[in-house]
Order: sequence, then structure tokens, then C-alpha cells
Amino acid sequence: AQSVTQLGSHVSVSEGALVLLRCNYSSSVPPYLFWYVQYPNQGLQLLLKYTTGATLVKGINGFEAEFKKSETSFHLTKPSAHMSDAAEYFCAVSVEDSSYKLIFGSGTRLLVRP
Amino acid sequence: GAVVSQHPSWVICKSGTSVKIECRSLDFQATTMFWYRQFPKQSLMLMATSNEGSKATYEQGVEKDKFLINHASLTLSTLTVTSAHPEDSSFYICSAHRGQNNQPQHFGDGTRLSIL
Repeated sequence: AQSVTQLGSHVSVSEGALVLLRCNYSSSVPPYLFWYVQYPNQGLQLLLKYTTGATLVKGINGFEAEFKKSETSFHLTKPSAHMSDAAEYFCAVSVEDSSYKLIFGSGTRLLVRP
Repeated sequence: GAVVSQHPSWVICKSGTSVKIECRSLDFQATTMFWYRQFPKQSLMLMATSNEGSKATYEQGVEKDKFLINHASLTLSTLTVTSAHPEDSSFYICSAHRGQNNQPQHFGDGTRLSIL
């Protein structure tokens, strides 16, 4: 069965520090992977996606993620955290049955210290 | 591009009232729309999948008579919470999909529903 695991329900970094949010997935077929961000009382905003092609994917707001098949990982990074990056981040994998459904991880709350 | 509008953003109503939430894709045709429920500090829980012109497919444990979904056009889906009770209070989020494999879901801003 497909699944998504996000290690760390909370990650705290200092402003200007590297952001690393971890995501591991399981899928029996080549996955489509997504990272979304959610600010309080809002819906989800797409940060980036991996479907095929280049394994290093660049997204909005300076975020990027690398698809590593051998590690079944799709970790999200940003070189320098900004206060405005504080939010909840969700990793998701598309379901294999062509229903366009997503399986979400449990989310990681990013805290940015001044 | 890929803007999804969800309305209302916030509603408070009395127990027993029915509440309708609208989800519109503003700049693309959405063959499929999804409805989620999110409890505080938790991930999204898929309630149902809505395909234009056909009946919605509900996830296990979701009462179809309680949560009525209509997807009458390629740009509009509605969720009606019928005879709402306090336990239905939650954050409801919709998303829309173009119907192509490599495309993401695009989300609305959610509706905070509070039943008194």
C-alpha cells in the first residue's frame, strides 16, 4: 500500500538557517510527489511537484526538493529560512489508481526563530 | 493561474441548519474535485471525490446523506452539510484537478464551520 511519512511533527530553525523537511514515501510504481504549504486558517498552496524528468525540483519561495528513488525520499529544503516560512508543510504522493487522489503525510510544522 | 475559490470562508450557524459550501475553479476546467475535512493540528482527511456530471464517491465512514456533494459543471462543486450538529464543526477544504496525470490538486482557502 502507498504511504507517506514525514519525520518530525515540528522543526525549529533560526532565521537564515537551512530548512530541511523530511518526506519518505512507498509506492509500487513511479510516484508523482508534491509538497504543499498551509498557513493558519488557509487552504494548501502548491510549493513544487515531481512527476518525471529532473530529480531536483525547484519550487516557489526558494524551496526545492530532490527525488531519490533509491532512498524513497523527497525531502524539502531551503538554504535560508525566513520568518514568513513559518507554516505547516505537507508531503503527498498521488494514488496509483489514476483517481488523482493524494495520500498526505501527517505534516510538519516549521517554526522560525528570530 | 490555477485559482480555486471556496465560499464562504467562515460560517457560524445553529444546530439543525443545513450549510452549503461552494468550490469554484476560476481559470481552468476541473473534471474532478475533492472535499476534505481537517481537524485541528492534523492532516487532511479525504471525504469524497466528485466528478462532473456523476455521483460523488465517498470515503469509508463518510455519511453520504449527511454530506451532499454536487458537481454540476466543470467549474463548480458544492458540499452541503445537512442538519448540522456541533460534531460537524471543522475546517472543510476543497480542491480541483484538471484530470491529467501529472497535474496537482489546487486547493481552495477552506471554510471554517462552527455549529452552535
